[in-house]
Amino acid sequence: AQSVTQLGSHVSVSEGALVLLRCNYSSSVPPYLFWYVQYPNQGLQLLLKYTSAATLVKGINGFEAEFKKSETSFHLTKPSAHMSDAAEYFCAVSEGFGNEKLTFGTGTRLTIIP
Amino acid sequence: DVKVTQSSRYLVKRTGEKVFLECVQDMDHENMFWYRQDPGLGLRLIYFSYDVKMKEKGDIPEGYSVSREKKERFSLILESASTNQTSMYLCASSSNLRDRDTSTDTQYFGPGTRLTVL
Repeated sequence: AQSVTQLGSHVSVSEGALVLLRCNYSSSVPPYLFWYVQYPNQGLQLLLKYTSAATLVKGINGFEAEFKKSETSFHLTKPSAHMSDAAEYFCAVSEGFGNEKLTFGTGTRLTIIP
Repeated sequence: DVKVTQSSRYLVKRTGEKVFLECVQDMDHENMFWYRQDPGLGLRLIYFSYDVKMKEKGDIPEGYSVSREKKERFSLILESASTNQTSMYLCASSSNLRDRDTSTDTQYFGPGTRLTVL
């Protein structure tokens, strides 16, 4: 069975500071990993995905994530936080493609301090 | 742009009522999904469908059923609503193309229906 663990249900950073949201996965097969973002009162949208092509993945809005097999991690980072980054972020894993069944983590709510 | 719409943003029902949540997508997607979202629990898959008239149980199907009579529409049914079904319900759709293009290799989500059962 596959699963993801997101450490920290709430993260606060100052505007302009580094954003680091943690995700660790468990999978019996090579995983495909995703980060989704949910802005207030909206559905989820894909931020970025890892599908084995490259371990460092760049997404929208300046976010990136690095797949580290030895650490079973897929942490999300952004060098400089912006007020508009305030949202809830979900890590997800699939054993196949991103358009198939996904298993989501419990989410991390990111707050940006002005 | 892919559009996934859900029939209501907010819904209030009473215990024991039969509740229908409707989801419609306009991109001719084969796959459709129903999730519920609860604080601290993330998104959990209730049911999904990879084709018309086809359905599969997700991780938490108890107390729910679904209907997919047309490709564009996927309905979630609470046969007898209970207070523990108070939640945010999210619908998603996706194509069944097996490639890594970002536009096809992702699920597209509706805005959600916040259901309160009293």
